[in-house]
Amino acid sequence: DGGITQSPKYLFRKEGQNVTLSCEQNLNHDAMYWYRQDPGQGLRLIYYSQIVNDFQKGDIAEGYSVSREKKESFPLTVTSAQKNPTAFYLCASSKVESGNTGELFFGEGSRLTVL
Amino acid sequence: AQSVAQPEDQVNVAEGNPLTVKCTYSVSGNPYLFWYVQYPNRGLQFLLKYITGDNLVKGSYGFEAEFNKSQTSFHLKKPSALVSDSALYFCAVRDIGQPGGYNKLIFGAGTRLAVHP
Repeated sequence: DGGITQSPKYLFRKEGQNVTLSCEQNLNHDAMYWYRQDPGQGLRLIYYSQIVNDFQKGDIAEGYSVSREKKESFPLTVTSAQKNPTAFYLCASSKVESGNTGELFFGEGSRLTVL
Repeated sequence: AQSVAQPEDQVNVAEGNPLTVKCTYSVSGNPYLFWYVQYPNRGLQFLLKYITGDNLVKGSYGFEAEFNKSQTSFHLKKPSALVSDSALYFCAVRDIGQPGGYNKLIFGAGTRLAVHP
């Protein structure tokens, strides 16, 4: 079945360490996204990418980095520069085409806890 | 700037009663509106969307939403609530400032629906 796979589901990190969250999709979607979810704040966009080797900063990109070397993969690195990294991270993807109506497909999320 | 507001942090309803989860939006052009549902420690699942046409949109699991342009609202409704409907619900609007097919959705803060037996 097609879908989006995020790993790991739970991750613990010590302060000062970088961590990378994996996101893989087999939906043949061009666009991929990373959102951060905090209680009571909804979802905030970190980075998004429409095509391979191109990505754009979202609303809260500071302290994060991404790469898009393959269409299927969009890993997110949470760097030590991110001041408050404890959160639930959601990866999503969508088609990109003329008149596209914006439906996103989400992975199951990765919960990062900084100790 | 585009924005979405969900004025209620939580909605409580008895099983079998109708439910409404409210959403209002602000966009500079025609809105593309969405509802998603999230169960604990899971990703978001798409429920329904409004792009154009009939103001009453039907979606998954018996949910529907009514688009009201004059009130800039897109409330989620269901005629008869189930305990299994208890979850976190998000309204979202497409950022029409993004050209060429980007699907940058702006999400509301979410409303927790609690359906009691």
